[in-house]
Amino acid sequence: DAMVIQNPRYQVTQFGKPVTLSCSQTLNHNVMYWYQQKSSQAPKLLFHYYDKDFNNEADTPDNFQSRRPNTSFCFLDIRSPGLGDAAMYLCATSRADPVTEQFFGPGTRLTVL
Amino acid sequence: AQTVTQSQPEMSVQEAETVTLSCTYDTSESDYYLFWYKQPPSRQMILVIRQEAYKQQNATENRFSVNFQKAAKSFSLKISDSQLGDAAMYFCAYRSAGGKLIFGQGTELSVKP
Repeated sequence: DAMVIQNPRYQVTQFGKPVTLSCSQTLNHNVMYWYQQKSSQAPKLLFHYYDKDFNNEADTPDNFQSRRPNTSFCFLDIRSPGLGDAAMYLCATSRADPVTEQFFGPGTRLTVL
Repeated sequence: AQTVTQSQPEMSVQEAETVTLSCTYDTSESDYYLFWYKQPPSRQMILVIRQEAYKQQNATENRFSVNFQKAAKSFSLKISDSQLGDAAMYFCAYRSAGGKLIFGQGTELSVKP
């Protein structure tokens, strides 16, 4: 089945230690999104890729970076995680033309010690 | 800027009964999409139902239906014959022509056996 896959599902890191979360998709969608979701809150968009074009949200901290080496994969890098970065990180994809709904992965729960 | 408001942080329904979740939004756009997403505890966010703004007919997916009132900017979700598996956080979301999703705050639905 076509899907959005996130690895790992659970990630524990230490304060200040860089961490990378990965997302892959078999839907062949050209738009990929990264969201941060804290407990009992709505997802907050960090950035998205339209093909190789990177689009950062204005309030996304510089601590968060992303890479998309090809259509199928997208990575979220947190350069120096703080305690406030502990959250669920969701990857989502969608087609761009026509624009459709977004399909979400299962998320990676990040714990910062 | 577009906004989405879910005024019910929590709702409860008896199994087999019907429940309606409310959502209002604000926009100056005429062409947009509305969605209801379901996020069970510790599980993946999935699409429940979608509505194109240009369609007057309310969307229906099995036990799930919407009441879309474009002039009032209201988009409520009705769940009929509620089941235990319907317990989840439900997010109303607006998607503009640009493709980004704007989420409401969420409504946590519990289903009582």
